[in-house]
Amino acid sequence: AQSVTQLGSHVSVSEGALVLLRCNYSSSVPPYLFWYVQYPNQGLQLLLKYTTGATLVKGINGFEAEFKKSETSFHLTKPSAHMSDAAEYFCAVRGRGGGNKLTFGTGTQLKVEL
Amino acid sequence: DAGVIQSPRHEVTEMGQEVTLRCKPISGHNSLFWYRQTMMRGLELLIYFNNNVPIDDSGMPEDRFSAKMPNASFSTLKIQPSEPRDSAVYFCASIKSGGGNTGELFFGEGSRLTVL
Repeated sequence: AQSVTQLGSHVSVSEGALVLLRCNYSSSVPPYLFWYVQYPNQGLQLLLKYTTGATLVKGINGFEAEFKKSETSFHLTKPSAHMSDAAEYFCAVRGRGGGNKLTFGTGTQLKVEL
Repeated sequence: DAGVIQSPRHEVTEMGQEVTLRCKPISGHNSLFWYRQTMMRGLELLIYFNNNVPIDDSGMPEDRFSAKMPNASFSTLKIQPSEPRDSAVYFCASIKSGGGNTGELFFGEGSRLTVL
């Protein structure tokens, strides 16, 4: 079964600083990987996804993530944080063997300070 | 385009009462998921349907929980009787299964349940 681990339940950065949210996956074969964002009192919104091909994936709002098979990682980054990036971020994994079930990590709350 | 629509957005009820949460998936989507989100346990998959048929209900906590999908455009999650530990945000999500599907789920805005 696939799983993801998000390191750090809370991350705080200054506005304009680099954002780095960590995600490691566990899977016997490279899975599909996703990052979702959740703003307060809202549902989850897809930021970006890795399915196949290029390992550096660009998403919305200036975020990107790199799939590294050797490290079983899919860390989310953004060069310069903005106050509006404050939210909870979830990494998720889906196996390639069929089925649409997504398994989510425990989430990372991002705080952006002035 | 309408997204996944959930109702009610907020529900406050007393222990022992029946609770019914509703979901309308995106038109054309044929897989539907129910997730529960709590501070302690994060996002948990409760059950999912393909073409209105329950495929995996292993996440349903106990017999007090039941879910149905009578047609492609409607699903319910019922809790009877409800307990305070059921307090959570319940999300519905949908996807169009089939060739080329890369697994992106579309989420509703959730139903926040408080059981007193």
